[in-house]
Amino acid sequence: KQEVTQIPAALSVPEGENLVLNCSFTDSAIYNLQWFRQDPGKGLTSLLLIQSSQREQTSGRLNASLDKSSGRSTLYIAASQPGDSATYLCAAALFNKFYFGSGTKLNVKP
Amino acid sequence: EAQVTQNPRYLITVTGKKLTVTCSQNMNHEYMSWYRQDPGLGLRQIYYSMNVEVTDKGDVPEGYKVSRKEKRNFPLILESPSPNQTSLYFCASSLFGVLGLSGSGYEQFFGPGTRLTVL
Repeated sequence: KQEVTQIPAALSVPEGENLVLNCSFTDSAIYNLQWFRQDPGKGLTSLLLIQSSQREQTSGRLNASLDKSSGRSTLYIAASQPGDSATYLCAAALFNKFYFGSGTKLNVKP
Repeated sequence: EAQVTQNPRYLITVTGKKLTVTCSQNMNHEYMSWYRQDPGLGLRQIYYSMNVEVTDKGDVPEGYKVSRKEKRNFPLILESPSPNQTSLYFCASSLFGVLGLSGSGYEQFFGPGTRLTVL
């Protein structure tokens, strides 16, 4: 069974800092890995999806990388802003199922 | 507007009283799924559907039923709810299921969530 872990569980940084969120998975045969953002009381918003054949994806200030051999993905946020404060979740896809990590709660202080 | 809708958004019920949470998407997506989110456990997949009349169990299917009679709708049914089913439930859809193919169409879109309390 696929296990997905996100470290740290919570992170507090000053505005403007570059930061990295980590996601690890136990079964490297994943089909894709998706990063989401969840605001309090809201649903999940897709940020980036990396197919198994890709190494990274970029959208604006966000860059996600995937290393299947080591079972890791990272989400890099450049020049963080208070509006980036949210919980970030990763999800690994395997055999038509999706396995989520517990998330990293990010607080960006003005 | 392309979206996944869920109803109701909030529900308080009692043990044993059958309930249905509806989910509908207007994007002509083939793949639909239900998740529950609990503190410290993250999101766990309950059931998923690859297309009409095709459903399968996720990681935590016990106590739940689903049906997919139409492409756009994927209701979640709790025949006899119990307090351990108190949770935040999300419906999601994507154009395709996960087949290991390259290309687009695998991004999941989520509904706003249904907060269920079973007393």
